[in-house]
Amino acid sequence: DGGITQSPKYLFRKEGQNVTLSCEQNLNHDAMYWYRQDPGQGLRLIYYSQIVNDFQKGDIAEGYSVSREKKESFPLTVTSAQKNPTAFYLCASTSIEGQGNIQYFGAGTRLSVL
Amino acid sequence: KQEVTQIPAALSVPEGENLVLNCSFTDSAIYNLQWFRQDPGKGLTSLLLIQSSQREQTSGRLNASLDKSSGRSTLYIAASQPGDSATYLCAVSGNTPLVFGKGTRLSVIA
Repeated sequence: DGGITQSPKYLFRKEGQNVTLSCEQNLNHDAMYWYRQDPGQGLRLIYYSQIVNDFQKGDIAEGYSVSREKKESFPLTVTSAQKNPTAFYLCASTSIEGQGNIQYFGAGTRLSVL
Repeated sequence: KQEVTQIPAALSVPEGENLVLNCSFTDSAIYNLQWFRQDPGKGLTSLLLIQSSQREQTSGRLNASLDKSSGRSTLYIAASQPGDSATYLCAVSGNTPLVFGKGTRLSVIA
């Protein structure tokens, strides 16, 4: 089955620690996205990538880093500089052929601080 | 900067009722508008996508309309069921990636 796989489902971070969230897709999509969702809030864009080895900052990139070494993979690192990392993180992808294609989402990773 | 607003924030209706969810956006220069469903603790599932040149899209009991000039979209759910209970989010795509509203939390009471 084609889709987006996020892991782990739950993640705990100690103070001063960097943690990495995994996102893998087998949909052959060009573009991938990372969003953060806080309770009662919409999704806010952290980073996005439209092609391998290239990515752009979203609205709330501070304290986060990404890489796009393979088309299928777009890992997100939450660094120690992110002082309020507790949130639900969602990865998404879409084809960029033409404009206006459906965006598909993974099941999310819930990050908490110990 | 594009802003998306959804009203109401929460809605509770009895089973079988028809209902309308509203979405408004500030910049009419969009490529498309999408409606998503999110169950608690889960990811988002795309329900309907309306291209900027379209006026509406239908899927089963769902109908979404788009009035780009007024910056508004509605999601109509016919004959609501308890299984429709979820948060519904709309998002618009323009020269930037999708911009999301905060969602409407729908409860359908049996």
